[in-house]
Amino acid sequence: GQQLNQSPQSMFIQEGEDVSMNCTSSSIFNTWLWYKQEPGEGPVLLIALYKAGELTSNGRLTAQFGITRKDSFLNISASIPSDVGIYFCAGLTQGGSEKLVFGKGTKLTVNP
Amino acid sequence: SQTIHQWPATLVQPVGSPLSLECTVEGTSNPNLYWYRQAAGRGLQLLFYSVGIGQISSEVPQNLSASRPQDRQFILSSKKLLLSDSGFYLCAWRVQGVSGEAFFGQGTRLTVV
Repeated sequence: GQQLNQSPQSMFIQEGEDVSMNCTSSSIFNTWLWYKQEPGEGPVLLIALYKAGELTSNGRLTAQFGITRKDSFLNISASIPSDVGIYFCAGLTQGGSEKLVFGKGTKLTVNP
Repeated sequence: SQTIHQWPATLVQPVGSPLSLECTVEGTSNPNLYWYRQAAGRGLQLLFYSVGIGQISSEVPQNLSASRPQDRQFILSSKKLLLSDSGFYLCAWRVQGVSGEAFFGQGTRLTVV
């Protein structure tokens, strides 16, 4: 089945540092999504990417849809304590399947 | 606006007991619906998804089943719970084919004892 390999599994950084995480897959996806989850809550969408090569920003967050359609990265600039949480990538296949699969997540800790 | 309701929020059930978790969506029609399970500190495992009433795709063979009796209702069930069924269960919906965004419910924390 389709699997997403997300790395790193966890990150411990100082406030103000930049963060980078990525996802790769052996399968092609039509859409890449990045979510953030806080404890006890459902994931919340941060950025959605629909075209290969697309680069999209949302405030301090920037994400890119890889040219091969098999990978994506998320960057967070100038991290702040409220960035703490688990970040997930997700890939969507369409055209009848509509299956949405998630990576295993990157747990981010920001030290003030 | 669209909303998704998932209940109960927490549940403690004995081993061998049945399970029924319900998820409903309001404000949209013919959504794709998904059930995920998340073990503590782990990723989201896709359990079932549905593109229409009565249409269920199962991703992982296990002790659980899903049903979609109505367009905006998705139910996760088990006849006999196992200890390994403990986890955080999340329901999600998205618009078919138009965009990728999926929206999640608040989740159900299930503890099997």
